[in-house]
Amino acid sequence: GNSVTQMEGPVTLSEEAFLTINCTYTATGYPSLFWYVQYPGEGLQLLLKATKADDKGSNKGFEATYRKETTSFHLEKGSVQVSDSAVYFCALRGSGGSNYKLTFGKGTLLTVNP
Amino acid sequence: GAGVSQSPSNKVTEKGKDVELRCDPISGHTALYWYRQRLGQGLEFLIYFQGNSAPDKSGLPSDRFSAERTGESVSTLTIQRTQQEDSAVYLCASSLRTITDTQYFGPGTRLTVL
Repeated sequence: GNSVTQMEGPVTLSEEAFLTINCTYTATGYPSLFWYVQYPGEGLQLLLKATKADDKGSNKGFEATYRKETTSFHLEKGSVQVSDSAVYFCALRGSGGSNYKLTFGKGTLLTVNP
Repeated sequence: GAGVSQSPSNKVTEKGKDVELRCDPISGHTALYWYRQRLGQGLEFLIYFQGNSAPDKSGLPSDRFSAERTGESVSTLTIQRTQQEDSAVYLCASSLRTITDTQYFGPGTRLTVL
């Protein structure tokens, strides 16, 4: 079945540091890939997505590139802010018969200090 | 309302009791999804509705779990004879039309079974 593995947290950075959160996946066919973010006290929000190989999703300074050869979708940001402190989830939606469900990683807690 | 809402936000119950969790999707969204997040785990798909029908209930953990949706709107997830392992955050999401549309998540219901 489909699965998503993302780096264990927590991750603690200083403001303006570079962020990478690794995400790799296992899936048949051509899944769509997502990063969701959950800010403290709020629901999950879609941060960015990519639906085919070599696509780059971007939003709010975050980027992730769909790499089929390495089955990866790593999240990056060049300069994090305190307001980026949240839990980040990598997810995929399969391309087969059960393509209505999202499969999530366990989440990575990011804390950005001033 | 502007987003997906869920009630209650927190529920504490005793082992063996029944609980009902409610989800109000975004108005006009035809697809609705339930997920569960246990401590330290990623989100786990439970069930999905297209309109009032549930084409796939295979994610429900046991026959103690059931869900329904009426009027292509509100959905309730019922857990009978709750067990301690049912303790989790239960998340609801909705999407506009097709299963490939973005899923918008509610804030979740935190269920604690004593």
